[in-house]
Amino acid sequence: AQSVSQHNHHVILSEAASLELGCNYSYGGTVNLFWYVQYPGQHLQLLLKYFSGDPLVKGIKGFEAEFIKSKFSFNLRKPSVQWSDTAEYFCAVIPYGGATNKLIFGTGTLLAVQP
Amino acid sequence: GAVVSQHPSRVICKSGTSVKIECRSLDFQATTMFWYRQFPKQSLMLMATSNEGSKATYEQGVEKDKFLINHASLTLSTLTVTSAHPEDSSFYICSARGGQHYGYTFGSGTRLTVV
Repeated sequence: AQSVSQHNHHVILSEAASLELGCNYSYGGTVNLFWYVQYPGQHLQLLLKYFSGDPLVKGIKGFEAEFIKSKFSFNLRKPSVQWSDTAEYFCAVIPYGGATNKLIFGTGTLLAVQP
Repeated sequence: GAVVSQHPSRVICKSGTSVKIECRSLDFQATTMFWYRQFPKQSLMLMATSNEGSKATYEQGVEKDKFLINHASLTLSTLTVTSAHPEDSSFYICSARGGQHYGYTFGSGTRLTVV
């Protein structure tokens, strides 16, 4: 079955540390890739997305992600995190080929940034 | 930007009663809306996909008679949890496909507690 894996379930960093959250998917065909963020008490917000073109995607708030097709990965990065980045981060994939373009989510990574 | 309004944000109901959750796209037409369920510390699980004017497509394992979905207009989809039981207590999130970017705009979610 198609799946999206986020291996880091809980990450704790100090402010100014660099961040990399892993995301791997199992679908072998064409995919669209997304990273969403859910701040405490708020709804999901789109951080960035990849459809095609440059595999290094820049999103909002200084986040970026790199699509590596050979590794089926779409890792999220930020060079220097802030306390306000404390949130839950979800990787999501739309695999093509089915009748409906369904967004499949990873299990999420809870990031806690300590001041 | 694209905005999806979900109402109510919280609801407590007695076991055996039914609860309706509304999802509205405020500034765009959403031909497709999705309903997710999120368990504590877990990912969003897609329950069903609804297309305006047609029957919803349910994911495997989701009881269509229990979770009634109606998508009567391009801006409104409703999820009715019928004869709710404590195990139905969860966080339900809708999303609408459309808006400024090809992607999914999420509602703020509904916390359902069945007592």
